[in-house]
Amino acid sequence: GAVVSQHPSWVICKSGTSVKIECRSLDFQATTMFWYRQFPKQSLMLMATSNEGSKATYEQGVEKDKFLINHASLTLSTLTVTSAHPEDSSFYICSASVGTYEQYFGPGTRLTVT
Amino acid sequence: AQSVTQPDIHITVSEGASLELRCNYSYGATPYLFWYVQSPGQGLQLLLKYFSGDTLVQGIKGFEAEFKRSQSSFNLRKPSVHWSDAAEYFCAVGAASGTYKYIFGTGTRLKVLA
Repeated sequence: GAVVSQHPSWVICKSGTSVKIECRSLDFQATTMFWYRQFPKQSLMLMATSNEGSKATYEQGVEKDKFLINHASLTLSTLTVTSAHPEDSSFYICSASVGTYEQYFGPGTRLTVT
Repeated sequence: AQSVTQPDIHITVSEGASLELRCNYSYGATPYLFWYVQSPGQGLQLLLKYFSGDTLVQGIKGFEAEFKRSQSSFNLRKPSVHWSDAAEYFCAVGAASGTYKYIFGTGTRLKVLA
């Protein structure tokens, strides 16, 4: 149980375009979802926290207009990278929580912007 | 401020040798503590967690960790390392204020020699 999926697992897009990453909790309802960014050989950096039906709470330094987060249902959250640039290339990981301190992580999405 | 320190960036051990990965945290109350493992290009897998109770916690894949309040530590141990244990290991503490956010350590990369 407690499986989180992400789609796509890998995406390449051209500079200036937007890309959407989906995060789904497959067998439970996630009251809270988290989005992380991970640079090569580095730790996870929390980007934002989202609760179903509410606006996401972004961490300091994260551009809200560039990284749009929508938590439309208790099983789906999306991260849209708008007007992507090469510096947005990274590994993006989502996680989901049922309102406790235990998070269930997705497998991650590798974004490459050319 | 809450923080998590993993003093060892890289650790190399021989297969069959014992392993200890260090984790120190800074937190005012009893923390929620986690150890995750990340294989290359993958998401995070929970090894074990500590919320309360017995300070020696057993996890998956033969790992255990001991919570020592006096030392503000939550070190991960394994008596005999397998080549498949080579990965990145992250310690995390649940942040305060009911946000259910994690604060991650910087990670320890484990290399296993055959």
